[in-house]
Amino acid sequence: EAGVAQSPRYKIIEKRQSVAFWCNPISGHATLYWYQQILGQGPKLLIQFQNNGVVDDSQLPKDRFSAERLKGVDSTLKIQPAKLEDSAVYLCASSFPGWSPVPSGNTIYFGEGSWLTVV
Amino acid sequence: GQQLNQSPQSMFIQEGEDVSMNCTSSSIFNTWLWYKQDPGEGPVLLIALYKAGELTSNGRLTAQFGITRKDSFLNISASIPSDVGIYFCAGSTQGGSEKLVFGKGTKLTVNP
Repeated sequence: EAGVAQSPRYKIIEKRQSVAFWCNPISGHATLYWYQQILGQGPKLLIQFQNNGVVDDSQLPKDRFSAERLKGVDSTLKIQPAKLEDSAVYLCASSFPGWSPVPSGNTIYFGEGSWLTVV
Repeated sequence: GQQLNQSPQSMFIQEGEDVSMNCTSSSIFNTWLWYKQDPGEGPVLLIALYKAGELTSNGRLTAQFGITRKDSFLNISASIPSDVGIYFCAGSTQGGSEKLVFGKGTKLTVNP
């Protein structure tokens, strides 16, 4: 079974530029997550989708970050304009089936991450 | 927001030694998860705990969901060099993997 795919793996941009990350979740996974992981810290949830709807975006800095999952499959996360403090790894994760009466059915699987450096 | 206090921050051990790390919170969690992250990779789930008091093993790894639902620990027995990495605890107040909150990680170094 293919895992969560992310691209690009690495990106270096100047502050005030824009960047976009793409994620393709595991086939059939209804729930997709974007996490931000700053060096030396644990991942922090930015946004959660179920199918093509947003479930939680309370920690997404909406003045500069946006995300979409138009067809309920793959997703893009955009940052515009980027700031120095946005340097981090952006992790995409997915889970199936999105809700399950059995808690273990909600196990999430992470991609390898997209590493962003803002200079 | 909810925070998880994970300790220790780092550990340096000799191959063959046992390791213990823990996570505490001021909030009650319905799920505790333990992940391992290797350099350049995303976190990989090691153990998931869904009931207070639950004790679960995965090979040389054992984790427990605290009775108070505010803590969890992870033990690694007879460590080997490939155990090197960063271990994260994560919890959900909603259950499953909804709105996971992560600790800051424990960096483990194993000397052969």
